[in-house]
Parts: sequence; C-alpha cells; structure tokens
Amino acid sequence: SQTIHQWPATLVQPVGSPLSLECTVEGTSNPNLYWYRQAAGRGLQLLFYSVGIGQISSEVPQNLSASRPQDRQFILSSKKLLLSDSGFYLCAWSVRRGRINEQFFGPGTRLTVL
Amino acid sequence: GQNIDQPTEMTATEGAIVQINCTYQTSGFNGLFWYQQHAGEAPTFLSYNVLDGLEEKGRFSSFLSRSKGYSYLLLKELQMKDSASYLCAVPPNFGNEKLTFGTGTRLTIIP
Repeated sequence: SQTIHQWPATLVQPVGSPLSLECTVEGTSNPNLYWYRQAAGRGLQLLFYSVGIGQISSEVPQNLSASRPQDRQFILSSKKLLLSDSGFYLCAWSVRRGRINEQFFGPGTRLTVL
Repeated sequence: GQNIDQPTEMTATEGAIVQINCTYQTSGFNGLFWYQQHAGEAPTFLSYNVLDGLEEKGRFSSFLSRSKGYSYLLLKELQMKDSASYLCAVPPNFGNEKLTFGTGTRLTIIP
C-alpha cells in the first residue's frame, strides 16, 4: 500500500529564517507530486507541481521554491520566510488510474512565522 | 480559467440529511472530486463523478450535472463526526493532472 510522509508536523520560525519541508512517498513509482498551502480559513492553494525528477511547475509567484531530487521525494524551501508564509502545508501524490487522477494527501506541516 | 463556488458554512442536526452544493466552470470537464477535511487534518477522498447522475457510497452520495456545471454532496443520517469541511475540486481543463479546489464548506453538526 502507498503511504506519504511529511515532516516536521509543526514548525515555528522567525521572519527571515530559511525553510525546508520534506515529503516522501512509499509504495508507488513515478507519482505526480504537489505542494499546497492552506491559510487559516481559506481554501487549498496549489504552490508547486511535479511530474518527474527535476521537473517543477510553479503555480503562483512567491518566495518559496521546490525541488524533486528523487522520484518519491519532494522538498519545499525558502531562503527567507515572510509572515505571510504562515499556513498549513500539504504534500500530495497522484497516479492516473483510467480517467481518475485522485490525489492523496500527507498529514501536513503547520508553519507559524513570527 | 476555472471558478468553483460553494457555501462557506452550513449547520445541520444529528440524524438529519444535508446537501452541499458546488458550481464550477472549467475549460474542459474531466470529473469532479469531493474531499472531506477535519479541522487540522489533511483532506481525504470522498467521491469522484465524471458522468451525470448520482453516485451512492454508504451514507454519502454525490450528484453531477455537467450541462449545469453543478454538483452536490448529500450526507444522510448525520453523525457528530461528520462535522468537517467539504471541498469540491475539478481539474482546470481536460487531461490536466492538477486539481483546483473550492474554498470548502464548513459543516457543523449540532445535537
């Protein structure tokens, strides 16, 4: 069976500090990988999307970046955090099965920037 | 582009039935998803509709009308644990591997 891991679960960082969130998927190969952010009381916003190693699509302009160094590893980074980067960060994976491209979400990382 | 509209909040009584509506606009339709998200947790998949009509899965059913750009999620025999946000999501165009999510409907179940 497939599992998705994210860490850390919670993080409190000062403004201007760097960030690295990691996501790994087990039990599947060549998945599509996604990073979302969910601000308090708001919907899921797609940040980055990857169809393969080294292939990253940025969906919104921001001070965050993503990398996919291995097939089942997806990393979200920032060199200098802003207050507005606070939120609930979710990693997801998907594999197409026929017409369905269902996404499965990791447990999330709650980031507070102070 | 794509646009998804859902009510922001709803309240229903334990044991009752509630219908959560979703309207959408996409460049090319390739199915509609419903996800459930409890507070502080990740979304979990509930249903997928690609053809018109009602898909039933236990206490939950999902309906789709492609001509109207409309879907609803029907929850029966409501339980307190059904208190959660319900997210409607569609691929922005046909064949797209991404999903665009609505802002979600926060459902509160009262005794």
